[in-house]
Amino acid sequence: QVLLVQSGAEVKKPGASVKVSCKASGFTFTSYGISWVRQAPGQGLEWVGWISNYNRNTNYAQKFQGRVTMTTDTSTSTVYMELRSLRSDDTAVYYCARDIVSYTADSWGQGTLVTVSS
Amino acid sequence: DIQMTQSPSSLSASVGDRVTITCRASQSISSYLNWYQQKPGKAPKLLISAASSLQSGVPSRFSGSGSGTDFTLTISSLQPEDFASYFCQESYSSPPRFGGGTKVDIK
Repeated sequence: QVLLVQSGAEVKKPGASVKVSCKASGFTFTSYGISWVRQAPGQGLEWVGWISNYNRNTNYAQKFQGRVTMTTDTSTSTVYMELRSLRSDDTAVYYCARDIVSYTADSWGQGTLVTVSS
Repeated sequence: DIQMTQSPSSLSASVGDRVTITCRASQSISSYLNWYQQKPGKAPKLLISAASSLQSGVPSRFSGSGSGTDFTLTISSLQPEDFASYFCQESYSSPPRFGGGTKVDIK
């Protein structure tokens, strides 16, 4: 079955960077893109960006442009999201999700809590 | 950017009730509308894509309708496992936007 397994929780100080991984299995990795979506505590869902596992094209929400980088390693079927210059309002659960078409996510990772605190 | 307005933000209902959640887009999104269910501490789950296409394994008591700017998620007979939050999402534009969510709890 489709499985996305994310790396564990992180605690970072303001200004630091975090890199979250998402290891995929159960499907042809290069046939799909991966979206990243975050959810601040008690809040709604916010799309961060997307990467194609086929050609490594990326599309980031303008809000995160310049601070986020998404990469993919086809040899290990793992996608990474790095967020830099962290602020307290970046505290959230970050999800990776398989994109089946046009930013429609049919399978999700378990989420990674990133806490930004001094 | 497209804005998605979901209503109500919360509702209380009983098992067996018919529940309707609406989602309105700030501009036409054709049928590029998805519905997700999220339970506390869990990742969202895709219920319906393209406004009305039920995902495999999702009970038939869930249905979606609408096109253009107005959409509806209906649960025909609420079951105990349906108490959760529901989010709409437009997949028409970039960035794709989510509605603010509807929390369905027990009356």
